[in-house]
Amino acid sequence: KNEVEQSPQNLTAQEGEFITINCSYSVGISALHWLQQHPGGGIVSLFMLSSGKKKHGRLIATINIQEKHSSLHITASHPRDSAVYICAVRSEETSGSRLTFGEGTQLTVNP
Amino acid sequence: GAVVSQHPSRVICKSGTSVKIECRSLDFQATTMFWYRQFPKQSLMLMATSNEGSKATYEQGVEKDKFLINHASLTLSTLTVTSAHPEDSSFYICSASYGLNTQYFGPGTRLTVL
Repeated sequence: KNEVEQSPQNLTAQEGEFITINCSYSVGISALHWLQQHPGGGIVSLFMLSSGKKKHGRLIATINIQEKHSSLHITASHPRDSAVYICAVRSEETSGSRLTFGEGTQLTVNP
Repeated sequence: GAVVSQHPSRVICKSGTSVKIECRSLDFQATTMFWYRQFPKQSLMLMATSNEGSKATYEQGVEKDKFLINHASLTLSTLTVTSAHPEDSSFYICSASYGLNTQYFGPGTRLTVL
């Protein structure tokens, strides 16, 4: 079992739909990151969370430390949101800033 | 946000040659840089962690003599793939960190070995 698991692996939505991507982890963490990787390969850091909720534009990220679960929500989805979304955690037991990555969720938003 | 660059973005080389990839933090000093490898439709695989001025720490299964990492300054780390072979073809990504919960990723380098 991976330390970080994401669901779903693949998600197809119609433009305008509300999207949720889930991330569960099995270790104590000090931080959780949500990353976006576009087809060209470059990775953008969307959020870094240690508790609660963060919002940036149409993106919302939440984390429940007790349940070891985080969600990334996209409101009013758009085709340009199509990308791979990756959850990554920094374990409490890790020295330094090393991350453990989920397998990613491929999101396709159709017009 | 902080910016990390990689150069080159794409490289095609012949089998047996060596390729150097640079990773630079443009607007901050990175105490730690990470090198990842990513195969198609897979997540990032950490290859090594490098701290400025010290030897890189390689992950299990990663050959340190094949993937040479140099972190000569707080803004530059290089990965050299020595005697590259077709199986080394992959997408290589670096990230740079200046604190425990910060990590900024470069745009990646696509290596194709013929």
